[in-house]
Amino acid sequence: RKEVEQDPGPFNVPEGATVAFNCTYSNSASQSFFWYRQDCRKEPKLLMSVYSSGNEDGRFTAQLNRASQYISLLIRDSKLSDSATYLCVVNGDGNQFYFGTGTSLTVIP
Amino acid sequence: GAVVSQHPSRVICKSGTSVKIECRSLDFQATTMFWYRQFPKKSLMLMATSNEGSKATYEQGVEKDKFLINHASLTLSTLTVTSAHPEDSSFYICSAIIKGGQPQHFGDGTRLSIL
Repeated sequence: RKEVEQDPGPFNVPEGATVAFNCTYSNSASQSFFWYRQDCRKEPKLLMSVYSSGNEDGRFTAQLNRASQYISLLIRDSKLSDSATYLCVVNGDGNQFYFGTGTSLTVIP
Repeated sequence: GAVVSQHPSRVICKSGTSVKIECRSLDFQATTMFWYRQFPKKSLMLMATSNEGSKATYEQGVEKDKFLINHASLTLSTLTVTSAHPEDSSFYICSAIIKGGQPQHFGDGTRLSIL
């Protein structure tokens, strides 16, 4: 079983739509969780860390469900500029990081 | 803050050449640096984990003698692709963390093309 499972999509949504991505992880001892955004042919950029209490940054909301071992990312009022690949990252033991395969999002005018 | 610089951003060279890629943490000391490889439309593939002053830990299937990693200081790690061949062409990205549990900060990647 993979450490991190993520639906690769693609997700094609109209502008203004709300879209959600989920990511499941297998190591119940994982402590740190992150969402990254990667544009084509660019490096991943940290979008937000995911905290147990959930956190929100503008149109983006990240949540953690430890019982079911998944993290989610919700994007409200999608913009064209949100088109990218979204990667979930889970910190394992020590300095091990496990990446999801990435979810491709295209926001359509 | 937490800026990671990677150099060069683009390399095109002949088969058999060795290529060195540098990864620097500009405004913090990185306890650990990571080296990744990414193929088009694929996810990042971890190659090795590098701690300052110690030997890198390579992932299964990654040749140590092919991909030499040196982490001489808390702000610099280098990856040398030795005797590069066309199949080594790829996007190589480094990342660094300040301490365990913190997010990784990525360099802007090196696109390597071997002719």
